[in-house]
Amino acid sequence: DSGVTQTPKHLITATGQRVTLRCSPRSGDLSVYWYQQSLDQGLQFLIQYYNGEERAKGNILERFSAQQFPDLHSELNLSSLELGDSALYFCASSDPGTSVTSEQFFGPGTRLTVL
Amino acid sequence: GESVGLHLPTLSVQEGDNSIINCAYSNSASDYFIWYKQESGKGPQFIIDIRSNMDKRQGQRVTVLLNKTVKHLSLQIAATQPGDSAVYFCAENKGNQGGKLIFGQGTELSVKP
Repeated sequence: DSGVTQTPKHLITATGQRVTLRCSPRSGDLSVYWYQQSLDQGLQFLIQYYNGEERAKGNILERFSAQQFPDLHSELNLSSLELGDSALYFCASSDPGTSVTSEQFFGPGTRLTVL
Repeated sequence: GESVGLHLPTLSVQEGDNSIINCAYSNSASDYFIWYKQESGKGPQFIIDIRSNMDKRQGQRVTVLLNKTVKHLSLQIAATQPGDSAVYFCAENKGNQGGKLIFGQGTELSVKP
């Protein structure tokens, strides 16, 4: 158990809908990262937040957005869902301190299925 | 563009043998490399990391080698066990991009008893 929790574990929805995925980082970790894992694209970095502020951005679609709240949990919002958004979404957390090269601890993931 | 790729998608080894998983990366400016293990139905789990100013690092039963000349990274697992069966990913971190990790496609390691 990494200490990172994600809810829900599974999510099935229809095209055009909007969903919210939730992540609670390990206690004390200030950074939260979101990754998408699909069969054709592998593990892709989406976005990073550090202590409530956006820190780094990957190839995140405009239909996707995220935020980190004062209690450090994070939410990833996916809207206007398409079939191709079906994937595993992972959250990771780390405590970078003064270095960005800190181990990232991954949660168990949320499996999103868009029908 | 930037990429971290793996030479082999699958690797099958006999229990007790040593395993070597390879990875090529394209950006020589990368600072930091990490190997992750992902078991079925779980999130990636950190195995070992290495900074760009090193060429070898050892952990428990695992060794990572970094060859910057040819932009190659390898993970060696000694005395491979059935519990080592998983998908292994190399990942690259560039310090000037926060904590962004760029992952390779993964190698599935299968250990035969």
